This record gives sequence, C-alpha cells and structure tokens, in this order.
Amino acid sequence: QQQVKQSPQSLIVQKGGISIINCAYENTAFDYFPWYQQFPGKGPALLIAIRPDVSEKKEGRFTISFNKSAKQFSLHIMDSQPGDSATYFCAASISGNFNKFYFGSGTKLNVKP
Amino acid sequence: KAGVTQTPRYLIKTRGQQVTLSCSPISGHRSVSWYQQTPGQGLQFLFEYFSETQRNKGNFPGRFSGRQFSNSRSEMNVSTLELGDSALYLCASSFHQGEAFFGQGTRLTVV
Repeated sequence: QQQVKQSPQSLIVQKGGISIINCAYENTAFDYFPWYQQFPGKGPALLIAIRPDVSEKKEGRFTISFNKSAKQFSLHIMDSQPGDSATYFCAASISGNFNKFYFGSGTKLNVKP
Repeated sequence: KAGVTQTPRYLIKTRGQQVTLSCSPISGHRSVSWYQQTPGQGLQFLFEYFSETQRNKGNFPGRFSGRQFSNSRSEMNVSTLELGDSALYLCASSFHQGEAFFGQGTRLTVV
C-alpha cells in the first residue's frame, strides 16, 4: 500500500510556464512534507518542506500548497526553466517516527526551451 | 560544509556474494538513514541510525543490515545478494528531525 500517491508521472512544460505536481496521503499522523529534486546520477536534493500548521510556503520560484482537510499537497514551480528538468519526489514523515520518509513515486519534469 | 559522502559510487557483484556500502554524514549530523531506489519500487526506507543505535527499520529481509560508528559514519551490508538487489542505495543524514540530506548514492549491480 503506497502511503503517498504522486501525480502526474511525467510533465512537459514550456519555459516560463507553471509546473504543478500533486501528492495525496492517507495517514493523518504525517506532519512533515518535503519535496526533493533529483537529477540523473545524483541523489535527491531537499527543495522545500512544509508542516501542516501552514497552508502555503514559498521559497523563490518554488511554492508548496497544503490542504490538510483534503490530505493533499502540491508543488508549484513558477517561471519554469530548462534547468528545472529533473525528477521531483514528494515525501511525508511522522515526527515520532524520526527520519523515516515515505516517498511518492516521482514526477519527471521536462521544461522545453 | 562537505555534503554526505557515499563510497563506492559503483559496484558490480555476483549473486550470492555480500557487499558493504559506506556513508559519511555531514559533520555534526548524528542521524543516518538508508534508502533503496529502484525504477519499479521507487525510494524505500531501509533503516535509520542515531548515536550508533538503530531507531527505525523498513520492510526488508534480514539480509540487509547496517551499523553506525561513534563518529556517525554508517555502513550497510547486504548478504547473499540477489539479482533484485540491484539498485541505487542512498544514504541521508540529518541534524534536525525531518531535514534529510542525501548523498549521491552507490549504484549496485548484481549479475
């Protein structure tokens, strides 16, 4: 049973457009939701993270929107650039469960020049 | 500040052999977690160590084991390798709970 469901599997966006990746979870005990960016041959890099006490967090061109009642959260990449082309993973964890993350299946983003 | 260092970067092993992978966390980080990444199963949690103690374990067979040393460096071992163990093995280190930083991984191929 997949604890975190991510969509879409792949995404093509024009340069300057908005990329939106969605994740949903079932376990209401999750209280930390990070997003990771992974380039081929590299490990995942922490991009941005949110806790459920806020509905939105913005860092530069990256924004997390969080809907606690719907148990959904999403990553928005504004003004998408070809350099953003990578695989993005959402994840969730429980504070009392230390650093055990449940990852989504990943979204491969391709930003066309 | 140096990042998480994993060695070796690539490994080719034969079925039935065993393998040891190494991870040096970011200086000051005492938590080290291990993940297996495959195209089919994605990123799956193996185990986590903090101050030389295993705090959490994923759903992997006992062939997968790990340990952490007093300097926070960690190793994971896979015994009796199977073809299905071919994967990218990632190590992540954390100072605060929740913020995990990954290394580049060790690409293990079992033939």
